[in-house]
Amino acid sequence: TQLLEQSPQFLSIQEGENLTVYCNSSSVFSSLQWYRQEPGEGPVLLVTVVTGGEVKKLKRLTFQFGDARKDSSLHITAAQPGDTGLYLCAGDTDRGSTLGRLYFGRGTQLTVWP
Amino acid sequence: DVKVTQSSRYLVKRTGEKVFLECVQDMDHENMFWYRQDPGLGLRLIYFSYDVKMKEKGDIPEGYSVSREKKERFSLILESASTNQTSMYLCASSPGTVYNEQFFGPGTRLTVL
Repeated sequence: TQLLEQSPQFLSIQEGENLTVYCNSSSVFSSLQWYRQEPGEGPVLLVTVVTGGEVKKLKRLTFQFGDARKDSSLHITAAQPGDTGLYLCAGDTDRGSTLGRLYFGRGTQLTVWP
Repeated sequence: DVKVTQSSRYLVKRTGEKVFLECVQDMDHENMFWYRQDPGLGLRLIYFSYDVKMKEKGDIPEGYSVSREKKERFSLILESASTNQTSMYLCASSPGTVYNEQFFGPGTRLTVL
């Protein structure tokens, strides 16, 4: 059973288009993180959201945490070929836990064509 | 910057061999993790460790074991490699703070023939 469901699984768009990736769950998370992974490399953290309703911006990327802390979205404005990669969301269900386990979604593979 | 290194980028082994994958982090992180990544299945947690000599099973521990004798080093062991263990293996560490952000190594692409 996948705790976090990401959609869409694949996204192929032209440079300049906007897109949104979704990360949904029936569970409540104390924090939610987004990572980007490029081919042949490990995932790299983009952002952590911790408060219900929180919105964070990273240049052309906007991250939102749902009010109930069960879902999140990533919106990219004017996508560029450099945005190509696998986007992963990950949630932490244990507030203050020292075990540190995260639950990952299966990812959205984004391809941006020039 | 946090650096997580893995002993090999590519590894080819034969069925039945014992395989060691090594991971080292240089930021004194409390927690370390081993994942495997397969197309369509995402990242699946094999084992993790929250302290030296401590380990916890993840979602798919069968066929694997781990060792953490020093804080900076976390080893994944395939006791008898099988073809269905062909995969990308990713190691990660996290500082054990409230939000548990993880820092990943570059991965080891293991092929078992």
